[in-house]
Amino acid sequence: GENVEQHPSTLSVQEGDSAVIKCTYSDSASNYFPWYKQELGKGPQLIIDIRSNVGEKKDQRIAVTLNKTAKHFSLHITETQPEDSAVYFCAALPPYGQNFVFGPGTRLSVLP
Amino acid sequence: DAGVTQSPTHLIKTRGQHVTLRCSPISGHKSVSWYQQVLGQGPQFIFQYYEKEERGRGNFPDRFSARQFPNYSSELNVNALLLGDSALYLCASSVLGSGGQREQFFGPGTRLTVL
Repeated sequence: GENVEQHPSTLSVQEGDSAVIKCTYSDSASNYFPWYKQELGKGPQLIIDIRSNVGEKKDQRIAVTLNKTAKHFSLHITETQPEDSAVYFCAALPPYGQNFVFGPGTRLSVLP
Repeated sequence: DAGVTQSPTHLIKTRGQHVTLRCSPISGHKSVSWYQQVLGQGPQFIFQYYEKEERGRGNFPDRFSARQFPNYSSELNVNALLLGDSALYLCASSVLGSGGQREQFFGPGTRLTVL
């Protein structure tokens, strides 16, 4: 079945700097890749997603890139702010399944 | 605009007891999925229901069961609770995105503690 790895597990950046989180997946047939932000005590919040027929997608300070050949996708956050501090999860949706497979998460800390 | 709602928010049980968790999806969403999130890990898929039928099951023992009602709300039941069942239980409701894939929106979760 699908397996998703995520790096780094923790990331600290200065306010205003950029942050990059990378994920790799194992099933080349997976076709949908969402990113979630989870704040303490809350459920995961969908922040951006990308489909397998698109290489890049941007929404204000957040962007996601997908490399199907290498089977990896990345989350890019520019001009980070303290409120970006949270745990970020990537996920992949295999075409044969009904469930998302999540990475283990990255704890992002934005230092003022 | 109501999102996914879950009840209760917190629950404390003892080993061997039974628990029922409830979820109401976003209005118009017909698919509900349940996930278990152990502290420090990503969510792990338990069940998916669509139009009241089970459409997927993760690698969880038979002590875990679920159902979906005609109004698309759902219950997750766990019998014979073990200490290892302590986790955040997340419900997600789904709708097909413009490209056909399912965008999934999560509720706030139910924090279950088993003593």
